[in-house]
Amino acid sequence: GENVEQHPSTLSVQEGDSAVIKCTYSDSASNYFPWYKQELGKRPQLIIDIRSNVGEKKDQRIAVTLNKTAKHFSLHITETQPEDSAVYFCAAHYSGGGADGLTFGKGTHLIIQP
Amino acid sequence: NAGVTQTPKFRVLKTGQSMTLLCAQDMNHEYMYWYRQDPGMGLRLIHYSVGEGTTAKGEVPDGYNVSRLKKQNFLLGLESAAPSQTSVYFCASRQGINYGYTFGSGTRLTVV
Repeated sequence: GENVEQHPSTLSVQEGDSAVIKCTYSDSASNYFPWYKQELGKRPQLIIDIRSNVGEKKDQRIAVTLNKTAKHFSLHITETQPEDSAVYFCAAHYSGGGADGLTFGKGTHLIIQP
Repeated sequence: NAGVTQTPKFRVLKTGQSMTLLCAQDMNHEYMYWYRQDPGMGLRLIHYSVGEGTTAKGEVPDGYNVSRLKKQNFLLGLESAAPSQTSVYFCASRQGINYGYTFGSGTRLTVV
């Protein structure tokens, strides 16, 4: 099955600086890569996603890049703000061979220092 | 349009008891999923369904059963609860292979 590795597990940055979270996946058949933000006690909230036929996608301060050859994808948050503090999860979606679903990384606790 | 609704939101069970978690979606989505989330972990897939009347095992199916008798509902059952099943359970749905996931608000289950 699919395996997703996520780094770092904790990231502390100064307010206004950029944050980068990296993930690798194992199954080349995975074709959809969402990023979720989860606040304590809440459901995962989709913040950005990218499909395997696209290399980069941007939405205001948030961007995601995908390198299919290397099987890794990254989340970039610029001009970080206190409200960006949360746990972020990457995921890879696979469908085929009788399997379907998202495989998640273990999460990155992003701390924005004032 | 409520999206994905999970009931109950909280539950405490004794070891050996049984219960059913309900996930209901009003978006006419084909695909539905049950995930569990443990501290320090990402979500892990328990079971999923690609349409009414179908179910399949995910990554961690042991100790759970599911049913999808109606398209809008996906039930997760614990026949004999164990402390290892203490977790937060999330249900999700999506329309098809080119659509993103919608998550419910979760059920916090404690087995004592």
